Amino acid sequence: DVKVTQSSRYLVKRTGEKVFLECVQDMDHENMFWYRQDPGLGLRLIYFSYDVKMKEKGDIPEGYSVSREKKERFSLILESASTNQTSMYLCASSLARGLYEQYFGPGTRLTVT
Amino acid sequence: LAKTTQPISMDSYEGQEVNITCSHNNIATNDYITWYQQFPSQGPRFIIQGYKTKVTNEVASLFIPADRKSSTLSLPRVSLSDTAVYYCLESGGSYIPTFGRGTSLIVHP
Repeated sequence: DVKVTQSSRYLVKRTGEKVFLECVQDMDHENMFWYRQDPGLGLRLIYFSYDVKMKEKGDIPEGYSVSREKKERFSLILESASTNQTSMYLCASSLARGLYEQYFGPGTRLTVT
Repeated sequence: LAKTTQPISMDSYEGQEVNITCSHNNIATNDYITWYQQFPSQGPRFIIQGYKTKVTNEVASLFIPADRKSSTLSLPRVSLSDTAVYYCLESGGSYIPTFGRGTSLIVHP
């Protein structure tokens, strides 16, 4: 069975802290994605990666960075968390470029105080 | 930015058929149309995908006219458990998948 896991369901951090959100997929997928979801705004793509050590900016990369050292793991990093980064963060993976369906993790609800 | 346009919300009642239409005014020749469903506190999950005409699976049907400027997701005989947000997106030619705001469907008893 396909599985995407995220390191935490809920996370509370203070302004200025460095935050790591981890995502792991067990399907040997090439592509991995990070989205944030806010009420009324739908899902917005932050970064994606189509191969190990490769990354591409999505629609809202400002304030975020990513790391993909291994194929199965894709990390989202908030270098200095701010209150406007309070959100639901969703990780996804897909088999390869193109029209392959994305599989999503359960999400991490991050609160920055 | 999302390339598709869909209604923000819809209401229905149990047992009815629900049709959600999405506009694809700038769809590329090699783009497919994909629909996802998202329940509260969960990530979206794939429902159905098509290129042209009609596609049907155990969950829904997808109608795409010849000009491909729109698509309609059809949910037969909805139940309360179909209450969710539904997203349409174009994928394939434009590599970056863009979800947009989705349509919030509420099914009433």
